[in-house]
Amino acid sequence: NAGVTQTPKFQVLKTGQSMTLQCAQDMNHNSMYWYRQDPGMGLRLIYYSASEGTTDKGEVPNGYNVSRLNKREFSLRLESAAPSQTSVYFCASRELWDRGNEKLFFGSGTQLSVL
Amino acid sequence: RKEVEQDPGPFNVPEGATVAFNCTYSNSASQSFFWYRQDCRKEPKLLMSVYSSGNEDGRFTAQLNRASQYISLLIRDSKLSDSATYLCVVTVNYGGSQGNLIFGKGTKLSVKP
Repeated sequence: NAGVTQTPKFQVLKTGQSMTLQCAQDMNHNSMYWYRQDPGMGLRLIYYSASEGTTDKGEVPNGYNVSRLNKREFSLRLESAAPSQTSVYFCASRELWDRGNEKLFFGSGTQLSVL
Repeated sequence: RKEVEQDPGPFNVPEGATVAFNCTYSNSASQSFFWYRQDCRKEPKLLMSVYSSGNEDGRFTAQLNRASQYISLLIRDSKLSDSATYLCVVTVNYGGSQGNLIFGKGTKLSVKP
């Protein structure tokens, strides 16, 4: 019962460095999401992918890129990390039965610090 | 006005108490409503969906008032293990087929012995 697997759990970067956060789900879900969570700000959507081959910007996409490699995997890339990107990042996939019946499954999160 | 607003708390209550959280949403076209629970330094997990007729799951009762655009969560006989942050989540359809989930900032609950 892996669910949503997210790596790494912790990462420290220097300003200007790049990195990719990996996310994979084994539940055959079409929709996948990347959120960031900051104290006092709640969860904010960075990018989402409604289905394999499509991606769309969320509320806070600047400084990030994403790739929906296949149905299972959705990666988030920071090309040139900035201190403002210090945050906890969550990947999620969405199971949708019908309107009103849905559930988000989250990965365990990545604590990222940019110095 | 924020799309989804919650009282951040913290709510500090003794074991066995009844506690209620409210959440208001601004978009009258909101379709679906949920409560998620997030433990400290963990990922959010679905607690329960909120249906128009209200719904109950053990000690937890969720209600929706579409006219006033608010959702509530009632926890009866609170346990130490209920200590967590409770996130109100609303799905709004901006034209896509699935709608987008909007999270409130969460209400922190601390249950004391």
